[in-house]
Amino acid sequence: GAGVSQSPSNKVTEKGKDVELRCDPISGHTALYWYRQSLGQGLEFLIYFQGNSAPDKSGLPSDRFSAERTGGSVSTLTIQRTQQEDSAVYLCASTESTNQPQHFGDGTRLSIL
Amino acid sequence: QQQVKQSPQSLIVQKGGISIINCAYENTAFDYFPWYQQFPGKGPALLIAIRPDVSEKKEGRFTISFNKSAKQFSLHIMDSQPGDSATYFCAAKGRRGSTLGRLYFGRGTQLTVWP
Repeated sequence: GAGVSQSPSNKVTEKGKDVELRCDPISGHTALYWYRQSLGQGLEFLIYFQGNSAPDKSGLPSDRFSAERTGGSVSTLTIQRTQQEDSAVYLCASTESTNQPQHFGDGTRLSIL
Repeated sequence: QQQVKQSPQSLIVQKGGISIINCAYENTAFDYFPWYQQFPGKGPALLIAIRPDVSEKKEGRFTISFNKSAKQFSLHIMDSQPGDSATYFCAAKGRRGSTLGRLYFGRGTQLTVWP
């Protein structure tokens, strides 16, 4: 497809487990963002990748969160030792450049039991 | 600190009416103001956007009004339809330094249009 693809669409896991969320950006988009959307909240910035530059990790809420982007394309967001407050929808967006609109995937709905 | 404040939290409008959602920002280091529409189970989709050198932008039934001096912008949906029922988010994009390219979102407005 032509849009941003995220997997899985839903993830249910037990507290304390690690989870990996995947994002396939639109082909050719050099910038990739992760956001978190909690119930009743807006979208909260987590991390930003631009080309081969070092990522902007300033939005990650704790050191349990990490992300990588391999080959300038696919990105994986990892949450270690999940907590109940990590339950949210994790959204990925990509764009050609910071001057262009961000296009979002449909997100991964993460539920921590 | 909420950099973009959005109101109202929810809005109910009769079909054919005008829906108005307001946002205000505090940081002047923003250079792009998009509105996103989100349906349940879907990601936000770009609806319309404006840059601060323009006071108004219209696309079909959707209009953004932008007041740079007041640091406010609003979305107007004319002739609102039941299919417009969704959550709407305003956002502002950072234009320099550590905020370059980052979107700051309002908390959203849940719009319901009654037939």
